[in-house]
Amino acid sequence: EPEVTQTPSHQVTQMGQEVILRCVPISNHLYFYWYRQILGQKVEFLVSFYNNEISEKSEIFDDQFSVERPDGSNFTLKIRSTKLEDSAMYFCASAWAGTDGRVSGNSYEQYFGPGTRLTVT
Amino acid sequence: EDQVTQSPEALRLQEGESSSLNCSYTVSGLRGLFWYRQDPGKGPEFLFTLYSAGEEKEKERLKATLTKKESFLHITAPKPEDSATYLCAVQAGAAGNKLTFGGGTRVLVKP
Repeated sequence: EPEVTQTPSHQVTQMGQEVILRCVPISNHLYFYWYRQILGQKVEFLVSFYNNEISEKSEIFDDQFSVERPDGSNFTLKIRSTKLEDSAMYFCASAWAGTDGRVSGNSYEQYFGPGTRLTVT
Repeated sequence: EDQVTQSPEALRLQEGESSSLNCSYTVSGLRGLFWYRQDPGKGPEFLFTLYSAGEEKEKERLKATLTKKESFLHITAPKPEDSATYLCAVQAGAAGNKLTFGGGTRVLVKP
């Protein structure tokens, strides 16, 4: 069964450093997302990406963050100048949007990867 | 702002003891309500999508229902392997596909 994969599973970095979290979405999916979950808290939406551009972002997703789909398979989240409070599980998700990619107004089931645990020291 | 509240926060069950989890929501224009299962240290695993009040879906020992204000996840005769955190999430509004999650219900099923 197709699944979303993420690398690395665990990333430890020092405050102020840049990190890149990588995701390979399910191959025929067209919508891509990043969420994060701080330990003991709710899963929070960061950003959605469709047709090679950001379609929606949360207040958390400020200039420190960026996303990219550098090729036909990878989807990355870059965090510049990491802070202690960026420590969290980061989940990538993808959703199918039909054969022609049109948004029909229906809800699309999002499938999540296993996550990357980011620890900022 | 969309709000999703799940109760109880935690639930301890004996194997075979059926129970229900609640997800209440306040949104503007519900487009879909989703249930996920999350095991410790793992990503959410998709279970169900419900689109309109009155809709029901089943998968093994799980059954999800939806009203205009809340959703229930019924666990019938649970087994220890049903132990997990169950997350509810909504998609709402005229555009955008982001999910807004509740805090989850941690379910522990003892043999």
